[in-house]
Amino acid sequence: EAGVAQSPRYKIIEKRQSVAFWCNPISGHATLYWYQQILGQGPKLLIQFQNNGVVDDSQLPKDRFSAERLKGVDSTLKIQPAKLEDSAVYLCASSLEAPLGQQFFGPGTRLTVL
Amino acid sequence: AQTVTQSQPEMSVQEAETVTLSCTYDTSESDYYLFWYKQPPSRQMILVIRQEAYKQQNATENRFSVNFQKAAKSFSLKISDSQLGDAAMYFCAYRSRSGYALNFGKGTSLLVTP
Repeated sequence: EAGVAQSPRYKIIEKRQSVAFWCNPISGHATLYWYQQILGQGPKLLIQFQNNGVVDDSQLPKDRFSAERLKGVDSTLKIQPAKLEDSAVYLCASSLEAPLGQQFFGPGTRLTVL
Repeated sequence: AQTVTQSQPEMSVQEAETVTLSCTYDTSESDYYLFWYKQPPSRQMILVIRQEAYKQQNATENRFSVNFQKAAKSFSLKISDSQLGDAAMYFCAYRSRSGYALNFGKGTSLLVTP
Protein backbone atom coordinates (compact mmCIF):
# COMPACT_ATOMS: atom_id res chain seq x y z
CA GLU A 1 0.00 0.00 0.00
CA ALA A 2 1.40 3.39 -0.99
CA GLY A 3 1.85 5.88 1.83
CA VAL A 4 1.08 9.57 2.05
CA ALA A 5 3.02 11.47 -0.58
CA GLN A 6 4.20 15.05 -0.21
CA SER A 7 6.15 17.41 -2.42
CA PRO A 8 8.46 19.16 -2.47
CA ARG A 9 10.64 17.72 0.31
CA TYR A 10 12.52 20.98 0.75
CA LYS A 11 11.80 24.60 -0.15
CA ILE A 12 13.75 27.79 0.46
CA ILE A 13 12.11 31.14 -0.22
CA GLU A 14 12.55 34.80 0.65
CA LYS A 15 10.10 36.45 3.03
CA ARG A 16 7.04 37.92 1.37
CA GLN A 17 7.20 35.30 -1.41
CA SER A 18 4.51 32.69 -1.86
CA VAL A 19 4.84 28.91 -1.66
CA ALA A 20 2.61 25.88 -2.13
CA PHE A 21 2.83 22.35 -0.80
CA TRP A 22 1.10 19.31 -2.22
CA CYS A 23 -0.22 16.19 -0.49
CA ASN A 24 -1.62 12.95 -1.88
CA PRO A 25 -3.22 10.86 0.87
CA ILE A 26 -3.55 7.10 1.05
CA SER A 27 -6.23 5.90 -1.33
CA GLY A 28 -9.64 5.73 0.32
CA HIS A 29 -8.76 7.91 3.29
CA ALA A 30 -11.55 10.45 3.78
CA THR A 31 -9.80 12.57 6.37
CA LEU A 32 -6.75 14.70 5.62
CA TYR A 33 -4.72 16.86 8.00
CA TRP A 34 -2.04 19.51 7.65
CA TYR A 35 0.29 20.00 10.61
CA GLN A 36 3.00 22.59 11.17
CA GLN A 37 6.07 21.44 13.11
CA ILE A 38 8.41 24.21 14.22
CA LEU A 39 11.92 23.12 15.19
CA GLY A 40 12.00 21.73 18.72
CA GLN A 41 8.23 21.38 19.01
CA GLY A 42 5.56 18.82 18.32
CA PRO A 43 3.31 19.11 15.29
CA LYS A 44 0.40 21.53 15.53
CA LEU A 45 -2.78 21.03 13.52
CA LEU A 46 -3.42 23.72 10.92
CA ILE A 47 -6.45 22.32 9.11
CA GLN A 48 -8.49 19.13 8.87
CA PHE A 49 -10.59 18.04 5.90
CA GLN A 50 -13.33 15.44 5.78
CA ASN A 51 -13.68 14.59 2.09
CA ASN A 52 -14.02 18.05 0.45
CA GLY A 53 -15.16 19.93 3.54
CA VAL A 54 -13.17 21.70 6.25
CA VAL A 55 -13.76 20.23 9.72
CA ASP A 56 -11.34 22.37 11.73
CA ASP A 57 -9.23 25.34 10.63
CA SER A 58 -9.23 27.20 13.92
CA GLN A 59 -5.41 27.37 14.09
CA LEU A 60 -4.84 28.29 10.45
CA PRO A 61 -3.55 31.88 10.02
CA LYS A 62 -6.13 32.73 7.43
CA ASP A 63 -4.61 36.08 6.51
CA ARG A 64 -1.72 34.27 4.84
CA PHE A 65 -2.45 30.53 4.78
CA SER A 66 -5.01 28.80 2.60
CA ALA A 67 -5.72 25.16 1.84
CA GLU A 68 -7.99 23.24 -0.46
CA ARG A 69 -8.85 19.65 -1.16
CA LEU A 70 -10.39 19.30 -4.55
CA LYS A 71 -12.49 16.20 -5.29
CA GLY A 72 -11.76 14.88 -1.80
CA VAL A 73 -8.36 13.50 -2.74
CA ASP A 74 -5.21 15.64 -3.15
CA SER A 75 -4.69 18.76 -1.10
CA THR A 76 -2.66 21.94 -1.47
CA LEU A 77 -1.48 24.22 1.33
CA LYS A 78 -0.42 27.74 0.33
CA ILE A 79 1.36 30.52 2.17
CA GLN A 80 1.19 34.05 0.77
CA PRO A 81 3.11 36.10 1.78
CA ALA A 82 5.56 34.05 3.83
CA LYS A 83 7.10 35.32 7.06
CA LEU A 84 10.30 34.25 8.79
CA GLU A 85 8.28 32.49 11.51
CA ASP A 86 6.70 30.21 8.90
CA SER A 87 9.97 28.27 8.70
CA ALA A 88 8.95 24.77 9.76
CA VAL A 89 8.21 21.27 8.56
CA TYR A 90 4.73 20.90 7.09
CA LEU A 91 3.33 17.43 7.62
CA CYS A 92 0.36 15.93 5.84
CA ALA A 93 -1.53 12.99 7.32
CA SER A 94 -4.57 10.97 6.36
CA SER A 95 -6.91 8.52 8.05
CA LEU A 96 -10.01 6.47 7.45
CA GLU A 97 -13.30 7.87 8.65
CA ALA A 98 -13.40 5.71 11.75
CA PRO A 99 -13.39 6.63 15.47
CA LEU A 100 -9.96 5.16 15.92
CA GLY A 101 -8.77 5.87 12.42
CA GLN A 102 -5.00 5.74 12.63
CA GLN A 103 -3.29 8.76 11.13
CA PHE A 104 -0.60 7.97 8.59
CA PHE A 105 1.93 10.71 8.02
CA GLY A 106 3.84 11.77 4.95
CA PRO A 107 7.56 12.64 4.99
CA GLY A 108 6.87 16.35 5.29
CA THR A 109 8.11 19.47 3.51
CA ARG A 110 10.85 21.49 5.19
CA LEU A 111 10.31 25.20 4.51
CA THR A 112 13.01 27.76 5.15
CA VAL A 113 12.05 31.42 4.87
CA LEU A 114 15.04 33.80 4.56
CA ALA B 1 -7.85 22.77 25.34
CA GLN B 2 -5.94 19.65 26.21
CA THR B 3 -2.23 20.07 26.90
CA VAL B 4 0.40 17.35 26.64
CA THR B 5 3.66 17.69 28.58
CA GLN B 6 6.85 15.77 28.00
CA SER B 7 9.27 16.85 30.70
CA GLN B 8 12.35 15.07 29.35
CA PRO B 9 13.85 16.91 26.35
CA GLU B 10 16.55 14.23 25.99
CA MET B 11 17.10 10.70 27.23
CA SER B 12 19.96 8.26 26.71
CA VAL B 13 19.99 4.47 26.98
CA GLN B 14 22.52 1.76 26.28
CA GLU B 15 21.78 -0.87 23.73
CA ALA B 16 19.81 -3.81 25.21
CA GLU B 17 18.78 -1.78 28.25
CA THR B 18 15.34 -0.45 29.19
CA VAL B 19 14.26 3.18 29.11
CA THR B 20 11.04 4.95 30.14
CA LEU B 21 9.79 8.15 28.54
CA SER B 22 7.34 10.28 30.52
CA CYS B 23 4.19 12.04 29.42
CA THR B 24 1.45 13.83 31.32
CA TYR B 25 -1.67 15.45 29.95
CA ASP B 26 -4.45 17.69 31.07
CA THR B 27 -8.06 17.06 30.11
CA SER B 28 -11.58 17.27 31.49
CA GLU B 29 -12.81 14.47 29.25
CA SER B 30 -13.36 10.93 30.47
CA ASP B 31 -12.97 9.13 27.16
CA TYR B 32 -10.05 9.76 24.84
CA TYR B 33 -7.07 8.17 23.12
CA LEU B 34 -3.35 8.44 23.79
CA PHE B 35 -0.53 7.70 21.40
CA TRP B 36 3.23 7.50 21.20
CA TYR B 37 4.77 8.41 17.85
CA LYS B 38 8.37 7.99 16.74
CA GLN B 39 9.99 10.51 14.38
CA PRO B 40 13.41 9.49 13.02
CA PRO B 41 15.65 11.97 11.17
CA SER B 42 13.74 11.15 7.98
CA ARG B 43 10.86 13.12 9.62
CA GLN B 44 8.22 10.46 8.94
CA MET B 45 6.00 10.10 12.01
CA ILE B 46 5.43 6.44 12.85
CA LEU B 47 2.83 5.19 15.31
CA VAL B 48 4.48 3.16 18.08
CA ILE B 49 1.58 2.35 20.37
CA ARG B 50 -1.90 3.59 21.31
CA GLN B 51 -4.11 3.38 24.37
CA GLU B 52 -7.84 3.84 24.71
CA ALA B 53 -8.70 5.57 27.99
CA TYR B 54 -11.65 3.30 28.79
CA LYS B 55 -9.38 0.25 28.74
CA GLN B 56 -7.65 -0.41 32.04
CA GLN B 57 -5.16 -2.83 30.55
CA ASN B 58 -1.90 -1.25 29.45
CA ALA B 59 -1.14 -1.56 25.75
CA THR B 60 1.86 -3.58 24.59
CA GLU B 61 3.51 -3.87 21.17
CA ASN B 62 6.51 -6.19 21.18
CA ARG B 63 9.31 -4.31 22.99
CA PHE B 64 7.12 -1.26 23.61
CA SER B 65 4.66 -0.97 26.48
CA VAL B 66 2.88 1.82 28.28
CA ASN B 67 2.05 2.59 31.89
CA PHE B 68 -1.31 4.36 31.75
CA GLN B 69 -2.40 5.98 35.00
CA LYS B 70 -5.74 7.63 34.24
CA ALA B 71 -6.26 9.28 37.61
CA ALA B 72 -2.79 10.77 37.53
CA LYS B 73 -3.15 11.66 33.82
CA SER B 74 0.13 9.97 33.10
CA PHE B 75 1.10 7.92 30.04
CA SER B 76 4.70 6.70 29.99
CA LEU B 77 6.38 4.60 27.31
CA LYS B 78 8.76 1.78 28.21
CA ILE B 79 11.18 0.51 25.59
CA SER B 80 12.77 -2.83 26.49
CA ASP B 81 15.91 -4.30 24.91
CA SER B 82 16.71 -0.97 23.25
CA GLN B 83 18.14 -1.12 19.75
CA LEU B 84 20.17 1.40 17.78
CA GLY B 85 17.20 1.83 15.45
CA ASP B 86 15.10 3.12 18.34
CA ALA B 87 17.05 6.38 18.33
CA ALA B 88 14.59 9.13 17.34
CA MET B 89 12.29 11.83 18.65
CA TYR B 90 9.33 10.40 20.53
CA PHE B 91 6.09 12.33 20.75
CA CYS B 92 3.20 11.72 23.09
CA ALA B 93 -0.18 12.71 21.64
CA TYR B 94 -3.77 13.07 22.84
CA ARG B 95 -6.96 12.74 20.84
CA SER B 96 -10.50 13.39 21.97
CA ARG B 97 -13.07 10.66 21.56
CA SER B 98 -15.17 12.95 19.40
CA GLY B 99 -12.40 14.47 17.34
CA TYR B 100 -9.71 13.29 15.02
CA ALA B 101 -6.87 15.81 15.39
CA LEU B 102 -3.86 14.90 17.49
CA ASN B 103 -2.52 17.21 20.20
CA PHE B 104 1.23 16.60 20.55
CA GLY B 105 3.77 17.20 23.28
CA LYS B 106 7.14 18.79 22.53
CA GLY B 107 8.91 15.47 22.23
CA THR B 108 11.78 13.58 23.82
CA SER B 109 14.97 12.91 21.90
CA LEU B 110 16.16 9.35 22.57
CA LEU B 111 19.82 8.50 22.07
CA VAL B 112 20.84 4.84 22.00
CA THR B 113 24.51 4.12 22.66
CA PRO B 114 26.33 0.90 21.73
